[in-house]
Amino acid sequence: DQQVKQNSPSLSVQEGRISILNCDYTNSMFDYFLWYKKYPAEGPTFLISISSIKDKNEDGRFTVFLNKSAKHLSLHIVPSQPGDSAVYFCAGDFGNEKLTFGTGTRLTIIP
Amino acid sequence: DTAVSQTPKYLVTQMGNDKSIKCEQNLGHDTMYWYKQDSKKFLKIMFSYNNKELIINETVPNRFSPKSPDKAHLNLHINSLELGDSAVYFCASSQVRGEGADEKLFFGSGTQLSVL
Repeated sequence: DQQVKQNSPSLSVQEGRISILNCDYTNSMFDYFLWYKKYPAEGPTFLISISSIKDKNEDGRFTVFLNKSAKHLSLHIVPSQPGDSAVYFCAGDFGNEKLTFGTGTRLTIIP
Repeated sequence: DTAVSQTPKYLVTQMGNDKSIKCEQNLGHDTMYWYKQDSKKFLKIMFSYNNKELIINETVPNRFSPKSPDKAHLNLHINSLELGDSAVYFCASSQVRGEGADEKLFFGSGTQLSVL
């Protein structure tokens, strides 16, 4: 039962352009969503989060949008930089301290 | 001064052996976790401990036994290793979500376990 889905396993974007990573979820009880970034041979690191009472949260080059009616969230990175090349995981949480992760999207920024 | 450190980074062993993975966090967090990332890249929670007390046990086989000697340490012992146990195991910690706190996990760098 995959409650969080990232249907694009990989994405390539030109440096300087916008990267858009998508995530869909099925569990209506999620009230908090997080994005993590993972480099090879390292653990995931927290990037940005959004509460379900908001539809947008911005932190520098990173913006997360939440569409509750569509059960969809997206991460926008603009402008994309080579250091953004990594695997990005979306995760949902409903306050039980148990994050449910998607399978990740590998983002490659082309110089 | 790594925040969440786990050892070893790589572990290659034979089926049937018993092995342990150690984890320590110096963030002062109350809660620690073990996550498993399988070959399909699913990152799934196995256990969580809050202040040395088991909070979450996600129907993991009894061969997996976590041990938390204090709130800064959460070790994972695996008995009678099987081929299907091959995966990357991540330790993580967080401050319990409360007013003003983010539910973000701080992960270790992972232990690649290969069972031959």
